Order: sequence, then structure tokens, then C-alpha cells
Amino acid sequence: DAGVTQSPTHLIKTRGQQVTLRCSPKSGHDTVSWYQQALGQGPQFIFQYYEEEERQRGNFPDRFSGHQFPNYSSELNVNALLLGDSALYLCASSLLGQGVGNEQFFGPGTRLTVL
Amino acid sequence: GNSVTQMEGPVTLSEEAFLTINCTYTATGYPSLFWYVQYPGEGLQLLLKATKADDKGSNKGFEATYRKETTSFHLEKGSVQVSDSAVYFCALSVWAENNDMRFGAGTRLTVKP
Repeated sequence: DAGVTQSPTHLIKTRGQQVTLRCSPKSGHDTVSWYQQALGQGPQFIFQYYEEEERQRGNFPDRFSGHQFPNYSSELNVNALLLGDSALYLCASSLLGQGVGNEQFFGPGTRLTVL
Repeated sequence: GNSVTQMEGPVTLSEEAFLTINCTYTATGYPSLFWYVQYPGEGLQLLLKATKADDKGSNKGFEATYRKETTSFHLEKGSVQVSDSAVYFCALSVWAENNDMRFGAGTRLTVKP
């Protein structure tokens, strides 16, 4: 079992550009969540996808958008990049029907640097 | 809303010392509580969890008890090792409500030989 995988590992962009990050969930999982982890802070919830639809969203602007594919993999898109978007972006997968105590499995993250 | 507050640290201990990292929570529903660990350059790994009051989660010598009366989920280990050096995150989720995880700010632990 490969676990949750993310690509790319590192990315450098300039202000105003657009970026796409990718995530493949753990085998058997149907739900993907995205988090932003700024340096020295805890992960902040961006949004969650289930059945190819955004199921819920955290306090992030519309510049952050996503997609889930039929094979459950997911993309995170960020438009009009700002310096403050520099962070580690974490993808987590889970099985929605697991119920209480539903554990999320995290990937290694994509380190985005905006110059 | 739902939130987690944890001891910020950093925490520096000698090998074989006792560890406590405090975590308290606020939740509108009935949360499940988690401790995740993040080693340098890696993602988060689940360390332990508890899903209802008085449950004790344990793994690799770490323990935490879900205390509803004090809304706490403190992490403890009786004898830390150098390999325990990492950042520890307390988190909660309320499955019936929204299922996203809310994390604390993290506590960096350094264990010296």
C-alpha cells in the first residue's frame, strides 16, 4: 500500500502565478482533504472533497479551488499567488463512512515557495 | 466553533525524562481527539486517538486520556528517547458535524542524550 502520495515535492513560483498540486489517496479511501501549514504552525483546513464534489470548506479565499477525479485523486489549484501562500500543503485521505474517530492519513506534503 | 489549544513549547528534555504536553479543546458537538507527530521533512502521522470520554489512546509508550470534564487530552510518556524528537499536534474532529480536523499550533520536542 503506497499510502497518500503528493506531487510535486517542492515548487517555486512568483507572485501572480497559478499553481496546481496533486494528491493520490490511500487505497480504499474516498475522501480527500487539503490543509495549509505555514512555518511553525499547525495545519489549517482548506477544503474536503467527496464524490467529486467539495463537501466543506475552511476560511480560504476563492483563489483556492480544487477538484476530485473519479479515481478519488485530487488537485488543489491556487490562482494569483501571494507571498503569504508560501507554506507546506498537506493532503489527507479518509473513508467517509468510517464514522466516529475517522482517522485521516496524511501525505508528505508539497512545499510551495512564492517569491 | 471547534478549536484546540496546546502547550507551545519548545520543550527540551533529557533522555528518559517524563513528558507531558498539554492540550485542551472547545467543541460544539462530540469530538474525537487525536495526537499526530511530524518528523522533520515529513507529513503528519497519527500517534494515538480517543473517540469518547474516559477513553485512553496509547501507542509507542505515549498515552492520552479523553477528559470531558476538563476538556483536555494531554499527551504523556514515561521515558522519552532521542528518536521522539519531533513536533506533536493535538487535533479534534466532530464527525457528525463536519469531519474536518482542527489542529493546535504544535509543540516541538527535542530530546537530548
